Amino acid sequence: EIVLTQSPGTLSLSPGERATLSCRASQSVSSSYLAWYQQKPGQAPRLLIYGASSRATGIPDRFSGSGSGTDFTLTISRLEPEDFAVYYCQQYGSSPQTFGGGTKVEIK
Amino acid sequence: EVQLVESGGGLVQPGRSLRLSCAASGFTFDDYAMHWVRQAPGKGLEWVSGISWNSGSIGYADSVKGRFTISRDNAKNSLYLQMNSLRAEDTALYYCAKDGYSSGSFFQHWGQGTLVTVSS
Repeated sequence: EIVLTQSPGTLSLSPGERATLSCRASQSVSSSYLAWYQQKPGQAPRLLIYGASSRATGIPDRFSGSGSGTDFTLTISRLEPEDFAVYYCQQYGSSPQTFGGGTKVEIK
Repeated sequence: EVQLVESGGGLVQPGRSLRLSCAASGFTFDDYAMHWVRQAPGKGLEWVSGISWNSGSIGYADSVKGRFTISRDNAKNSLYLQMNSLRAEDTALYYCAKDGYSSGSFFQHWGQGTLVTVSS
């Protein structure tokens, strides 16, 4: 199975700053079948990005995804107060689908 | 509006069984694959099982293979997870998730989850 490693584990930033989250796969993710999710405390995850770079419906354009092969990035251009949360990447190009361990974006 | 409502969770002893249900509304249920994803307390996300739109393709995580069975009833817009031989490590919040397509891909919509606690 493909192992996804997310870094850093925790990112401490201030509102208005840029956040760059990394997701590295143990082997190539076919056809860039990679998604990103946001999860706030006590809530279900929410889809942000699929296909490595396509924003889900209703997701603000400050969220962007990039990458291919084994290296993927989620960028939040300017952090809003509501963006402080845990972010997970997921690959769905190979069975079983797998998730990364998550990156927590916290207020500095 | 897509709605996914899970039910059936609770406290169960090790070795016993439990059946989870997910009632779906707000979309054409039989156009999409569906999944169960779980999250142990304070931990990350783990895909448990998925089923294609017509039940023709089914998959399980190795951790539950042989113990859990996923099924769906398109006439009732419902998804199920039969969990047998439960273990302490199965303790988690179980989410029902709608796929982005008819077969396995990303998880476009999520329910709020139902908590399963396995303990004596």
